[in-house]
Amino acid sequence: DGGITQSPKYLFRKEGQNVTLSCEQNLNHDAMYWYRQDPGQGLRLIYYSQIVNDFQKGDIAEGYSVSREKKESFPLTVTSAQKNPTAFYLCASTDFGGSYNSPLHFGNGTRLTVT
Amino acid sequence: GEDVEQSLFLSVREGDSSVINCTYTDSSSTYLYWYKQEPGAGLQLLTYIFSNMDMKQDQRLTVLLNKKDKHLSLRIADTQTGDSAIYFCAESFPSGGYNKLIFGAGTRLAVHP
Repeated sequence: DGGITQSPKYLFRKEGQNVTLSCEQNLNHDAMYWYRQDPGQGLRLIYYSQIVNDFQKGDIAEGYSVSREKKESFPLTVTSAQKNPTAFYLCASTDFGGSYNSPLHFGNGTRLTVT
Repeated sequence: GEDVEQSLFLSVREGDSSVINCTYTDSSSTYLYWYKQEPGAGLQLLTYIFSNMDMKQDQRLTVLLNKKDKHLSLRIADTQTGDSAIYFCAESFPSGGYNKLIFGAGTRLAVHP
C-alpha cells in the first residue's frame, strides 16, 4: 500500500544536539512538506519541497534544515539553534501539478522530546 | 493576515449529530478541508469543498460553506464513539506557485454514551 512513513515514532534528545527526522513516501508525489504541531495550535509549516533538489522555507523555518536528494525522501534536521524543539512533527506529500485540489497526505508523525 | 478559527472542544452523546464550526479570513481561498486526527497519528483527509460550492454531502458527513460570512461547518450525523478525535479545518489558496494551507487549532470531539 502506498503511504508516508515517518521514523522514529518517538525521539528523545539532549539539548544542544542536532537530530534528523526521517520521512519517506512511495506515492510518487512531487511535493513534500514538514509541519510542526503544538498543543492547542494549528499546524505550522516549516519547509516544503515541490521538486527534487529544491525546497523553500515555510512560516517557521528558523532552527531547521532539510534536503531533497530523492523524490521519495525529505528528511528534517532539528538543529541546536531551534529554541523550543519539543513538538509533534508531521510530514506530508501531495501530487503537485498546478492543481489546487490535491489534498495533503500525512504520515503518522514523530514526537520529539528535547531535555 | 490569514487565520482560521475553531472552537477547541465539543462534547456530544452517541447517536446525536455533531456540528463543528470554523471561520476563516482569506477570501481568496480555493478549497476548504476537514481533516481528522486520532491520538498519536497523522491527519486523515475527511472531505473538502470547493469555494464556489455551498454544500457537500458524503455519507454521514455534511459540509456547509457560507462564503459571505467566511464560515465553514462539518456536520457528523449519528455520531459514534469512533468519531472521537481532533478535527482540523484548513483553507487553501495559491501562494508562490504552491498550494498553501492554513490550519485551525483543531476541535476535540468527545463522544459519550
